[in-house]
Amino acid sequence: EAGVTQSPTHLIKTRGQQATLRCSPISGHTSVYWYQQALGLGLQFLLWYDEGEERNRGNFPPRFSGRQFPNYSSELNVNALELEDSALYLCASSSGQGFVAFFGQGTRLTVV
Amino acid sequence: DAKTTQPTSMDCAEGRAANLPCNHSTISGNEYVYWYRQIHSQGPQYIIHGLKNNETNEMASLIITEDRKSSTLILPHATLRDTAVYYCIVRVVEYRDDKIIFGKGTRLHILP
Repeated sequence: EAGVTQSPTHLIKTRGQQATLRCSPISGHTSVYWYQQALGLGLQFLLWYDEGEERNRGNFPPRFSGRQFPNYSSELNVNALELEDSALYLCASSSGQGFVAFFGQGTRLTVV
Repeated sequence: DAKTTQPTSMDCAEGRAANLPCNHSTISGNEYVYWYRQIHSQGPQYIIHGLKNNETNEMASLIITEDRKSSTLILPHATLRDTAVYYCIVRVVEYRDDKIIFGKGTRLHILP
């Protein structure tokens, strides 16, 4: 069974541009969680989607946004990129609220 | 904010049991204790979780104290591949609220 897949693996953007990161959950999973992990730091909770709706978001500015599609895949958009947005972005999926969440391998975003 | 406290780092000899402690003194009755690990810049890997009973799976054992204020993850026969950052998480699951908040974790070094 395929795990959580994220694309692209690596992404290089210029300051001020927009970045779009994608996440395909495990088949049958309806919840998607997004995290940011800056180099050498811990995982910071970004967003939680469940059944197509945004249920919760972490302490990030509005230029971090996303959506979940009817097939439960998800997209994270980061607008007006800043150098500090350079990080590993991780996506996890679960069968729903409270179920075990499994992580993908992440997208490494570099802002230059 | 994370609701857990873990030692920053620990060493364990290869082949010995690795015992990783975690304090979660403010845990509520409906909150689960989860353990994940992250091997150098990969996505976190789920290890085990529990509510109040001790749990065991093919990877590890989880011992939760009777008052639920602390727990210990046990890797029975540590190998070099177990070198990673181990995260103890208290997962809050309420109506339309599911937060998986990571703390700083314990960096476990397995020594040959």
